[in-house]
Amino acid sequence: SQQGEEDPQALSIQEGENATMNCSYKTSINNLQWYRQNSGRGLVHLILIRSNEREKHSGRLRVTLDTSKKSSSLLITASRAADTASYFCATDAIGGAQKLVFGQGTRLTINP
Amino acid sequence: DTAVSQTPKYLVTQMGNDKSIKCEQNLGHDTMYWYKQDSKKFLKIMFSYNNKELIINETVPNRFSPKSPDKAHLNLHINSLELGDSAVYFCASSQVGDRGGYGYTFGSGTRLTVV
Repeated sequence: SQQGEEDPQALSIQEGENATMNCSYKTSINNLQWYRQNSGRGLVHLILIRSNEREKHSGRLRVTLDTSKKSSSLLITASRAADTASYFCATDAIGGAQKLVFGQGTRLTINP
Repeated sequence: DTAVSQTPKYLVTQMGNDKSIKCEQNLGHDTMYWYKQDSKKFLKIMFSYNNKELIINETVPNRFSPKSPDKAHLNLHINSLELGDSAVYFCASSQVGDRGGYGYTFGSGTRLTVV
């Protein structure tokens, strides 16, 4: 079954604005990761947050994790046209073999 | 360049044919994966190998057979291709650690179209 679900499915904002994407998941996790996929390309790892962490920053990216609500958010500040892409959250669930289970992604469009 | 490289990038073939996709990583990772991305962008794991040993087989039809000759290579062979096999197939690798977590490195994908 699908683990992560992103919200919204699509987001369109003006350049310079902040973009927030949310992810919900169902089981206990070791970590949660966010990936970016440009059209026709592979996925690029953006940031990883461990289950015992609540917030993490990387450049213009800020990720939060609330394990009690089984949810995470990705904030991109001061968006740029080059941020246009699909963004996926992925979870590594506790137990079993290590694997990432992906949500269906948020399609982000930054309008110049 | 350190990377995960997969070939071919595009594959168009007729139903019933057999085809292979190759993947190589030079990152020194010990685990490799195949993921399938459907037309709705949903990514689903198919297989994972750790140091040539099959770890995950996610109820994939027997027509799909992965092969890992060494820990740097993971190939995917598909027999008797069906229309529903049309998708983008991604190879990925990671360093399996203490589950504190490592990001995956993905290849650029192989777009398979079965006609």
